Amino acid sequence: DAEITQSPRHKITETGRQVTLACHQTWNHNNMFWYRQDLGHGLRLIHYSYGVQDTNKGEVSDGYSVSRSNTEDLPLTLESAASSQTSVYFCASSRSASSYNEQFFGPGTRLTVL
Amino acid sequence: AQKITQTQPGMFVQEKEAVTLDCTYDTSDPSYGLFWYKQPSSGEMIFLIYQGSYDQQNATEGRYSLNFQKARKSANLVISASQLGDSAMYFCAMRELGTGNQFYFGTGTSLTVIP
Repeated sequence: DAEITQSPRHKITETGRQVTLACHQTWNHNNMFWYRQDLGHGLRLIHYSYGVQDTNKGEVSDGYSVSRSNTEDLPLTLESAASSQTSVYFCASSRSASSYNEQFFGPGTRLTVL
Repeated sequence: AQKITQTQPGMFVQEKEAVTLDCTYDTSDPSYGLFWYKQPSSGEMIFLIYQGSYDQQNATEGRYSLNFQKARKSANLVISASQLGDSAMYFCAMRELGTGNQFYFGTGTSLTVIP
């Protein structure tokens, strides 16, 4: 079955370190998204991509970057981790650019920055 | 302005009763989709139901139905015959065709089903 996976599932790091969260989907979806989830804020969009070599900033992109070198993967990098980036991170993908296509979510990565 | 508003931070419902979770949205795009997701305590996001802006009928999926009132810009989720396993966070989301297909999420409603 097609799926979307994230790794690691849990990560503890120190302030100032670079961290990369992996996201891999096997649906061959063009659209991929990264969100962070914090209490009281719901899900907030960090970055998104509509295809290979395409990346776009979302609502809360400062301190994060992504790259899309193939269809299956969209890694999220925290250039210099800050305590404010402690959160649960979700990767999602969806099919073509139509308003009726739902997003499929990965299981999430819980990141703690000490 | 918020694209998606969920005004009920927490809701309680008796087992086997029906419950309505509120969602209002803001868009000027004529083509959009509305979605509901469930997030149980285990953390995964589960897609429940979809309603398109041009759909004439309210969407239904098993015990879930979406009360779509386009003029009022509301898309409330109705869960019939609540079960203990329905206890979870519920998120309303919208996708607009014209704004690059971003999803906008509400802040969620925490539902607790009481036995």
